[in-house]
Amino acid sequence: DGGITQSPKYLFRKEGQNVTLSCEQNLNHDAMYWYRQDPGQGLRLIYYSQIVNDFQKGDIAEGYSVSREKKESFPLTVTSAQKNPTAFYLCASSIRGTSFEQYFGPGTRLTVT
Amino acid sequence: AQSVTQLGSHVSVSEGALVLLRCNYSSSVPPYLFWYVQYPNQGLQLLLKYTSAATLVKGINGFEAEFKKSETSFHLTKPSAHMSDAAEYFCAVRNSSGSARQLTFGSGTQLTVLP
Repeated sequence: DGGITQSPKYLFRKEGQNVTLSCEQNLNHDAMYWYRQDPGQGLRLIYYSQIVNDFQKGDIAEGYSVSREKKESFPLTVTSAQKNPTAFYLCASSIRGTSFEQYFGPGTRLTVT
Repeated sequence: AQSVTQLGSHVSVSEGALVLLRCNYSSSVPPYLFWYVQYPNQGLQLLLKYTSAATLVKGINGFEAEFKKSETSFHLTKPSAHMSDAAEYFCAVRNSSGSARQLTFGSGTQLTVLP
């Protein structure tokens, strides 16, 4: 079955540690996205990528980094510079061009203490 | 710039009652509009989408939405609420042509269904 996988579902880290969240898709989509979700704040765009080896900052990129070395993969690193990293992180993908609709993974809940 | 406003961050209905979740949009281009549903600790699932064809759009789980250009609205409805409809709902609008960011999301409406 085609879809988007995010791992792990739950992640716990100590403050000051970098952590990488995985996102893989087998939908053959060109575009991929990372969102952060906090209670009552909807979805906020962190980074997005339209093609391999290219990505752009979203609205809240500070303290995060990404790579896009393969079409299928778009990992997100939450660095120690991110002041408030505890959140629910969602990865999405879409067909580049006219489709616009995005398909979402199941999310990773990151807790930093 | 495109924007989405969802009126009411929390909506409660009784089981069997009408569900009405409101979404108003602002768009500088012909809008493509979407409704997504999110169950606790899960990703977003597409409910329905409007892409300039019929103004009344039917989606999954008995939901539908009507595009009203004059009111810049795309409200989501369901005639009879079921307990399983309890979730958070997001309205989204496509960004302008050529924008790689694709979608702008509203802040969400949490639907509670009372027995």
